[in-house]
Amino acid sequence: NAGVTQTPKFQVLKTGQSMTLQCAQDMNHNSMYWYRQDPGMGLRLIYYSASEGTTDKGEVPNGYNVSRLNKREFSLRLESAAPSQTSVYFCASIQDRVITDTQYFGPGTRLTVL
Amino acid sequence: GEDVEQSLFLSVREGDSSVINCTYTDSSSTYLYWYKQEPGAGLQLLTYIFSNMDMKQDQRLTVLLNKKDKHLSLRIADTQTGDSAIYFCAESIYTGGFKTIFGAGTRLFVKA
Repeated sequence: NAGVTQTPKFQVLKTGQSMTLQCAQDMNHNSMYWYRQDPGMGLRLIYYSASEGTTDKGEVPNGYNVSRLNKREFSLRLESAAPSQTSVYFCASIQDRVITDTQYFGPGTRLTVL
Repeated sequence: GEDVEQSLFLSVREGDSSVINCTYTDSSSTYLYWYKQEPGAGLQLLTYIFSNMDMKQDQRLTVLLNKKDKHLSLRIADTQTGDSAIYFCAESIYTGGFKTIFGAGTRLFVKA
């Protein structure tokens, strides 16, 4: 039982390049989330997926797209990377989108855009 | 609006108690959480408290909630060097769906 896994761990991109961050969970959770973490700021929600086949925008969705490929996997795509997207990206999952459930976080992807 | 604020740094000596403070603005919060993030890792839930409680104790951790002042604190007794990490306060609110608002995190330094 690996929990939430993310790939890659580190990535350096040039402005304008595209890439996809991968996330997978093996806990049979319904809901999955993508956050970004910037220095001096809390985690900010980019997109989430309440269940397989659905996705919704979070607080900071601009410049990103997501795909809930199946129940296990939720990917985040940067179509044209910008320096402002330099950040640490965390994927999280939760059984059901209710108050009492605990979010489980992946180890993060550190992205630098030059 | 929804906001969670914490001081950014705290330094304590090994063996002392650490107290990390947090304030939040949304009075409709139902659960409040403390997460721990070690270097290079994701966030790990430490403890949580329901909004109708004022205290929760779990081994070395004590959470105090003052709902009137919207103030949450985490006390770590007998702080160890292994407690050095970033601690995030978070609140969950329900606005037609479950939403978590995180603070910026408090970096705890434990000096031997």
